[in-house]
Amino acid sequence: GIQVEQSPPDLILQEGANSTLRCNFSDSVNNLQWFHQNPWGQLINLFYIPSGTKQNGRLSATTVATERYSLLYISSSQTTDSGVYFCAVLILTGGGNKLTFGTGTQLKVEL
Amino acid sequence: NAGVTQTPKFQVLKTGQSMTLQCAQDMNHEYMSWYRQDPGMGLRLIHYSVGAGITDQGEVPNGYNVSRSTTEDFPLRLLSAAPSQTSVYFCASSLLGGSEQFFGPGTRLTVL
Repeated sequence: GIQVEQSPPDLILQEGANSTLRCNFSDSVNNLQWFHQNPWGQLINLFYIPSGTKQNGRLSATTVATERYSLLYISSSQTTDSGVYFCAVLILTGGGNKLTFGTGTQLKVEL
Repeated sequence: NAGVTQTPKFQVLKTGQSMTLQCAQDMNHEYMSWYRQDPGMGLRLIHYSVGAGITDQGEVPNGYNVSRSTTEDFPLRLLSAAPSQTSVYFCASSLLGGSEQFFGPGTRLTVL
């Protein structure tokens, strides 16, 4: 099956710093999503981005489908950005919309 | 619009007990699925459904049953709980065709 690798696995930032999280995948995909899992365990949708670039406030994402990677940019980080960031990819099959998740990047933003 | 809802939020079972985790969505999504999340890992697919009356197995289906009698509801049944099923369970839904998926708040299950 498809492999999804995220880097770095862990990241500690000072408040106000910028960061880039990376997601590499091993095959062509039909869909890619970024999620933030907050310290309470909720999965928050950040981006639905099979290709191209999107921005939402301090966060932006770029997916280069032909080179099989996606990047999540966090600018001016805040303590509320702490948590785990997951990348998940989807390959359409006859069986529906199976998402394959990476193992995540654990982010801690300190004052 | 409540989105995807799950009950209960927390549950403790003894080995061998059975229970049903509830999932409902009010977005008229055809696709619904169940994932489990174990410490240090991403989410893994247990079962999924592409519409009422249609279900299929995912990556880790053993020990779990599902059915889908309505578009809105997709319950997950543990017939005889085992400690290996201690995990956080998430339900998700979307339109078909690779659309954006939305997750419920999760159920934290402990099997003693």
